[in-house]
Amino acid sequence: NAGVTQTPKFQVLKTGQSMTLQCAQDMNHEYMSWYRQDPGMGLRLIHYSVGAGITDQGEVPNGYNVSRSTTEDFPLRLLSAAPSQTSVYFCASRRHSRSSYEQYFGPGTRLTVT
Amino acid sequence: DQQVKQNSPSLSVQEGRISILNCDYTNSMFDYFLWYKKYPAEGPTFLISISSIKDKNEDGRFTVFLNKSAKHLSLHIVPSQPGDSAVYFCAASASNQGGKLIFGQGTELSVKP
Repeated sequence: NAGVTQTPKFQVLKTGQSMTLQCAQDMNHEYMSWYRQDPGMGLRLIHYSVGAGITDQGEVPNGYNVSRSTTEDFPLRLLSAAPSQTSVYFCASRRHSRSSYEQYFGPGTRLTVT
Repeated sequence: DQQVKQNSPSLSVQEGRISILNCDYTNSMFDYFLWYKKYPAEGPTFLISISSIKDKNEDGRFTVFLNKSAKHLSLHIVPSQPGDSAVYFCAASASNQGGKLIFGQGTELSVKP
């Protein structure tokens, strides 16, 4: 199993450009989520999904869109990039459970917006 | 409003000694807590967890303690090794809120030989 994969590893955007960060998992996990990591802020939840066709907002959803058309994939879209979105982005997944919330993380995408 | 707080940005410990990392939370609905370890340029990896029905969970050198009345948890690493040097994040979740993980700011642990 490859686990959780993310592409690209690095990206530089100009203000106003759009792009999609890709995330895929091969563990048949129902739950997937996106986080951003900023210095001194820890990991903050952007959006999450409990299954195909179902998404919801996290702590910092503004400026980001998501969709979940398959169990495997959970792309994160930046429609109009802003310098405040410069960050490291992590995708994570876990199986549905009522007793355990351990998530598996991808290696991250480092995004710079100039 | 930071629901999960790690007030120590960094911690330095001698090899072989105990490392104690602390975490406080404010949301009384949290009922599951986790610790993650993160090396530079890698994603966080799960370390250990504890349910609110317990006050201690142990896995090898790692022990997590939960004090629900104080809304405080701690991670003990005994003995500390240089390979433990990393950033440690605590996270909390509420089962009635979909199991979303809310993370603290992280504590950078440095274990010196």
